[in-house]
Amino acid sequence: AQKITQTQPGMFVQEKEAVTLDCTYDTSDQSYGLFWYKQPSSGEMIFLIYQGSYDEQNATEGRYSLNFQKARKSANLVISASQLGDSAMYFCAMREGPPARRTGANSKLTFGKGITLSVRP
Amino acid sequence: GAVVSQHPSRVICKSGTSVKIECRSLDFQATTMFWYRQFPKQSLMLMATSNEGSKATYEQGVEKDKFLINHASLTLSTLTVTSAHPEDSSFYICSAKSNTEAFFGQGTRLTVV
Repeated sequence: AQKITQTQPGMFVQEKEAVTLDCTYDTSDQSYGLFWYKQPSSGEMIFLIYQGSYDEQNATEGRYSLNFQKARKSANLVISASQLGDSAMYFCAMREGPPARRTGANSKLTFGKGITLSVRP
Repeated sequence: GAVVSQHPSRVICKSGTSVKIECRSLDFQATTMFWYRQFPKQSLMLMATSNEGSKATYEQGVEKDKFLINHASLTLSTLTVTSAHPEDSSFYICSAKSNTEAFFGQGTRLTVV
């Protein structure tokens, strides 16, 4: 069974600083994909970044990077140079099976509980 | 880029009535769509997988007769909440798959009064 754990309480960060959002996962699958999504108050789910279980390098997408520690089963999201518009809920998610598509929404996903990030001016 | 449109974005209905939510892929054909439910401040929970031309696959604990899913075309899947009750009030969000990419819809906030 898969499980995504996001245990941080609401996070606060000063504008222009970096912040790390934690995510640990549990799976017996050898092939899997890890995703981070942003959900602003409007409700839409915005794909941020993807990491395949066999990817040797940590994924990066602009200001977003994923600190993938496979042995520890962690996939923390790092947001650099925080902006006020980064204030939102952030969800870590996992897809079972072979890594395939980037955005993740094409497969059944298991989501964590989410973390609320607030960026202070 | 590809767009998944979900309608309506908000709906308020009376207890006992049915509500239909549409999920459309606007510029690609979606053979598979997924329906999720999200309670306030909580995670997204997969409800069912909708496959074009066949019956939807429901997750454990999701009532098929309560949440009717129809995927009659490659661009449209609908979720109908039948005989809605206040406990059905939630945020429902779909995702649609193409051959190369897939995205989430904007979500529907359902309030049953």
